[in-house]
Amino acid sequence: GNSVTQMEGPVTLSEEAFLTINCTYTATGYPSLFWYVQYPGEGLQLLLKATKADDKGSNKGFEATYRKETTSFHLEKGSVQVSDSAVYFCALSDSGGGADGLTFGKGTHLIIQP
Amino acid sequence: DTAVSQTPKYLVTQMGNDKSIKCEQNLGHDTMYWYKQDSKKFLKIMFSYNNKELIINETVPNRFSPKSPDKAHLNLHINSLELGDSAVYFCASSLQGAVSYGYTFGSGTRLTVV
Repeated sequence: GNSVTQMEGPVTLSEEAFLTINCTYTATGYPSLFWYVQYPGEGLQLLLKATKADDKGSNKGFEATYRKETTSFHLEKGSVQVSDSAVYFCALSDSGGGADGLTFGKGTHLIIQP
Repeated sequence: DTAVSQTPKYLVTQMGNDKSIKCEQNLGHDTMYWYKQDSKKFLKIMFSYNNKELIINETVPNRFSPKSPDKAHLNLHINSLELGDSAVYFCASSLQGAVSYGYTFGSGTRLTVV
């Protein structure tokens, strides 16, 4: 079956630090990959996505590249802000277009200190 | 606003009661989902439904049942509520065959069983 593994948190960084949150996956076929963000007390928002190997998703200064050879989709940001404090979820969806929904990692709680 | 909306946002109820959570989407999507987020933030799919099939996660107790009056609505009914049902429940939707465009989530319903 499909699975997503991401680094456990919490991850605590100072403002303007470089961020990497690791994510690796196991899937049959060629999944689409996503990062979702959940701010405190809110729902899930799509942060970025990539649908095929070597695609780079980017949004709000965050980037992630779909690496098929290492089955990874690591999230990076060059300079984090206090407002980036949230829980980040890596997820995948089977490429078959069926109704299987998303398989999520366990989430990484990111805390940015001023 | 185009969105996935779910009600109520908060629900506090006693053990043994029966309750429903409503979900509506106006995005023109044809597939809807329910996810459960536990106290450790772990997200797990409970159901997915489109006009052709209902897919049930085998770990979901049969006290939980989805009801879809039409393509834009997927309500969640829970019978004989138990303490362990306390969680945040998220509704989501997508377009089958276009899942690479992502899934849109509602803002969540925090259920507390006392």
